[in-house]
Amino acid sequence: EAGVAQSPRYKIIEKRQSVAFWCNPISGHATLYWYQQILGQGPKLLIQFQNNGVVDDSQLPKDRFSAERLKGVDSTLKIQPAKLEDSAVYLCASSLHEGEKLFFGSGTQLSVL
Amino acid sequence: AQRVTQPEKLLSVFKGAPVELKCNYSYSGSPELFWYVQYSRQRLQLLLRHISRESIKGFTADLNKGETSFHLKKPFAQEEDSAMYYCASRSTLGRLYFGRGTQLTVWP
Repeated sequence: EAGVAQSPRYKIIEKRQSVAFWCNPISGHATLYWYQQILGQGPKLLIQFQNNGVVDDSQLPKDRFSAERLKGVDSTLKIQPAKLEDSAVYLCASSLHEGEKLFFGSGTQLSVL
Repeated sequence: AQRVTQPEKLLSVFKGAPVELKCNYSYSGSPELFWYVQYSRQRLQLLLRHISRESIKGFTADLNKGETSFHLKKPFAQEEDSAMYYCASRSTLGRLYFGRGTQLTVWP
């Protein structure tokens, strides 16, 4: 089966610029997750969607980060404006239902200069 | 707050030697625990979960509630086991908490 697709693979921007990441989950997966993985740390959940509704965004820095999953399929994560500390790998994952096995994408590596 | 601790950032063993990757958790309820693995240039993927009580690629992990541990073990390590291993726990709200990971290197 096709896996979770993410783009771009790499992105380099300057601080205060904006950036957006895209994720296409596995077909039929209702739950979609965005994780932030800073170098040397484990992934940290930013936001979780169930279909097109937000289940958990308690760890999303809402002053600069936003995410949407308008039709309950693809999702975008945006950072505006970016800070140096946002440099990380942004992982998208999906699962058939909440609480089931997560399938991860390859991630987007963001460097903020 | 729920927390997962992996005390070893790096672990090296020789092929054929036993390996144990340590994981401790802090959670007052009944945790759901997992091991995820990321091989070089591949995606993060589920290795095993404690409720399945299964052995995957020769790895096993037993939940020890007394020691709040979920160590990952394999009696005879292979070179292809070299990877980054993450321990994770799921809260009652469904959120997965990951440890910082342990990089395992198996030397020939």
